[in-house]
Amino acid sequence: DTAVSQTPKYLVTQMGNDKSIKCEQNLGHDTMYWYKQDSKKFLKIMFSYNNKELIINETVPNRFSPKSPDKAHLNLHINSLELGDSAVYFCASSAMGTTTGELFFGEGSRLTVL
Amino acid sequence: GNSVTQMEGPVTLSEEAFLTINCTYTATGYPSLFWYVQYPGEGLQLLLKATKADDKGSNKGFEATYRKETTSFHLEKGSVQVSDSAVYFCALMTLTALIFGKGTTLSVSS
Repeated sequence: DTAVSQTPKYLVTQMGNDKSIKCEQNLGHDTMYWYKQDSKKFLKIMFSYNNKELIINETVPNRFSPKSPDKAHLNLHINSLELGDSAVYFCASSAMGTTTGELFFGEGSRLTVL
Repeated sequence: GNSVTQMEGPVTLSEEAFLTINCTYTATGYPSLFWYVQYPGEGLQLLLKATKADDKGSNKGFEATYRKETTSFHLEKGSVQVSDSAVYFCALMTLTALIFGKGTTLSVSS
């Protein structure tokens, strides 16, 4: 059983399209995250949700909209895709209030915008 | 603000060589520090951690010591293997998220 699963794993689309990436965790964690990893492997936090409530929203264009229907799911919807959105998007989860820093990551969703 | 700086890669070593990947941080207070590893085509996994000054984290032969005086958390391994080839990320924990360094790619050849 995969702890943090993301779909799709690969996504190729045209500029201007709208796409979604789904994430589910079965660890019973309260906090979920979206990170973006660029072509140079740099990882940047985008969003963090705790018990379905947004707690971090970094400087991300408002074309990106996270949605958390329940604490086990955090989906990422992207409108009007641009070339610069091409990246690997990682979902992660952690137990609420943890200072241990152990985030559990999904395998990533590679988005390519043509 | 909070930030993590790690040495630029790639680092290329022969099997059984000694590994050091430098990491320094800037933070308010004394955050917990971590090393994560990303194997090709996979997500990140926690490699080791230290939660207070002078703590030493260790796992799979890797070690790192939390040095408050130098604000450092350098990763070391005495004898690397081909299977250690991966990208290594130093990170610190803020109140709300992990902040990562830019990652260091390690390539080990036999």
